[in-house]
Amino acid sequence: KAGVTQTPRYLIKTRGQQVTLSCSPISGHRSVSWYQQTPGQGLQFLFEYFSETQRNKGNFPGRFSGRQFSNSRSEMNVSTLELGDSALYLCASSEGTGGEKLFFGSGTQLSVL
Amino acid sequence: GESVGLHLPTLSVQEGDNSIINCAYSNSASDYFIWYKQESGKGPQFIIDIRSNMDKRQGQRVTVLLNKTVKHLSLQIAATQPGDSAVYFCAENGSGGGADGLTFGKGTHLIIQP
Repeated sequence: KAGVTQTPRYLIKTRGQQVTLSCSPISGHRSVSWYQQTPGQGLQFLFEYFSETQRNKGNFPGRFSGRQFSNSRSEMNVSTLELGDSALYLCASSEGTGGEKLFFGSGTQLSVL
Repeated sequence: GESVGLHLPTLSVQEGDNSIINCAYSNSASDYFIWYKQESGKGPQFIIDIRSNMDKRQGQRVTVLLNKTVKHLSLQIAATQPGDSAVYFCAENGSGGGADGLTFGKGTHLIIQP
C-alpha cells in the first residue's frame, strides 16, 4: 500500500497570502488529521476529518481551515499568512477516529517571508 | 492544559547497547499511548502503541512499558543500531479519547555513537 502523500513538499509564501496543502491518505483510511510542527511548539493538532465531516478541531484561529473529499483526500487552507505560520504541516491518516494509529506523510514545509 | 513530556531532549548511546527513552504524562484520563520515530526530513513513523489496560507490549526490538501509577511511559530499543538515530515522540489521546487529537511530547533525540 502506498503511504500518505502530501503535496507540495516545500512552499514559500509571503505575509498576507493564502495557501492550500493537499493530502492523500492510505487507501482505505477514512480519517485524515492535520498537525503543525514547529521547533518551539512541537506537534500540535489542527483538525480531523472523517467521511467528509470535520470531527474535531484544535486550538488554532479560523484562518486555518480544511476539508475532505468523498475519496478521503483532504486539503487544508491557511489564509492571511503570518510569519508565525512557518512550520512543517503534517497530514496523517487512520482507519478509524480518535487519533489511534495515525500514519503520517512527510509533510509540507511552509516558509512565510 | 495537560500535556505529555519527555525527561531528556537528547540521549546518547553506544551502538549495540539498549536504549531507554522515557516519557511522563499528566492526563490520567488518557487510555491510549503511542510512540513515533521521526528522522530528519520525514514525518513521524509509527513504532508501537499501548492501551491503558496493559502495562507492557513488545514489538520487533522495541518494548513499551506503561506505569499508570506514576503516569510514566517508556520505550526500550534493544541492540541499538545506527538506523535508530532519530527523534522519538510519545503521544497520548487525552481525556477526550482522542477527540482533541493526539497530544505529543517535545521529543527525545537519540544519538548513536559508534
